[in-house]
Amino acid sequence: AQSVTQPDIHITVSEGASLELRCNYSYGATPYLFWYVQSPGQGLQLLLKYFSGDTLVQGIKGFEAEFKRSQSSFNLRKPSVHWSDAAEYFCAVGATNAGKSTFGDGTTLTVKP
Amino acid sequence: DTGVSQDPRHKITKRGQNVTFRCDPISEHNRLYWYRQTLGQGPEFLTYFQNEAQLEKSRLLSDRFSAERPKGSFSTLEIQRTEQGDSAMYLCASSSTGTGGRYYGYTFGSGTRLTVV
Repeated sequence: AQSVTQPDIHITVSEGASLELRCNYSYGATPYLFWYVQSPGQGLQLLLKYFSGDTLVQGIKGFEAEFKRSQSSFNLRKPSVHWSDAAEYFCAVGATNAGKSTFGDGTTLTVKP
Repeated sequence: DTGVSQDPRHKITKRGQNVTFRCDPISEHNRLYWYRQTLGQGPEFLTYFQNEAQLEKSRLLSDRFSAERPKGSFSTLEIQRTEQGDSAMYLCASSSTGTGGRYYGYTFGSGTRLTVV
């Protein structure tokens, strides 16, 4: 069975500060890993994805994530947060046959001016 | 292409009524997914299709829920005899599959918010 844990329900950072959102997964094989962002009243938007190869992946809006197999983690990072990054962030693990993805319960990001 | 469209955006219904939601995926995507999201939770898988075939349905899904994708294009999700516990955001997503079944993540619609009163 696949599962995702996002340990931080809510994170507050100051604008311009760095950000790291944590994600731990459980999956029996090589996982597909994703980060999505959801703004209020909107659907989810794909930020980045990992399938294989380079463990540091770049995404949209200046985000990156690092896959660490030994730690079963896929943490999301951004060097300098903008006020527009305030949203809810979801980590997901997917089956390699394009079946269902399992999502974490999300981390809400608040950005202080 | 305008992305994934869902209709309606909001639905308020009385307990016991039937409701139907529609999803129009990105036209070149062969996979279509339905998820449900409640406040403070991540999306929960309901079912998915490849073309017109329904390949998996969540064991958590009661028999009151049914989904179709009759021509491999749009899909409908019907909930019969709605209950207050069905109140949630219903999300549709689509994806394409590449070599060996690889996919590139979902494109989500904006969702249909269902309120059962």
